[in-house]
Amino acid sequence: SAVISQKPSRDICQRGTSLTIQCQVDSQVTMMFWYRQQPGQSLTLIATANQGSEATYESGFVIDKFPISRPNLTFSTLTVSNMSPEDSSIYLCSVEDWDRGHYEQYFGPGTRLTVT
Amino acid sequence: DAKTTQPPSMDCAEGRAANLPCNHSTISGNEYVYWYRQIHSQGPQYIIHGLKNNETNEMASLIITEDRKSSTLILPHATLRDTAVYYCIVRDTDKLIFGTGTRLQVFP
Repeated sequence: SAVISQKPSRDICQRGTSLTIQCQVDSQVTMMFWYRQQPGQSLTLIATANQGSEATYESGFVIDKFPISRPNLTFSTLTVSNMSPEDSSIYLCSVEDWDRGHYEQYFGPGTRLTVT
Repeated sequence: DAKTTQPPSMDCAEGRAANLPCNHSTISGNEYVYWYRQIHSQGPQYIIHGLKNNETNEMASLIITEDRKSSTLILPHATLRDTAVYYCIVRDTDKLIFGTGTRLQVFP
């Protein structure tokens, strides 16, 4: 099964600044996903990031606010730009990997972001 | 949007079976039912999935009704470590769209 790490694990940022979150996987994967989980809420998909192509954003999320890079099959970054307190959330990286005869989605530990 | 409906919370005594229901009345023929859980402060964890047959693995059993409009996740002997939010997801593409889930509290 894929093992995912994220950096930083948490951060406190001032409004108006930007934060880049890194996601590293221990194996090569095609599909990577970025989710947001606001306090007390469920997970919301931000975008799908495939290596070699532009990320595909879900409704309500735009590239200018959440630019994503996917330079290779084991790494991705999500930037939260021009932050406001409403961006305070846990941001989770996820990958799809073939395991035990089916595709399974694995999640990283998340990055807890607080914007002041 | 999520295609599932789950009760917001449930309780279960330790050692008893936990039965978590899920409604997915608009599911189509090629869509799978997936279950994930999220223990506090961790990323979601895969539990089980199925198409139309009942499934069992080392963690749980999944019972899908014949018309596929609902399913039940069964944890046969719940422990305190099973306290978590359980998400039922209907998956038709590569994406997992999470609903609100059921918060299961296992008590001693």
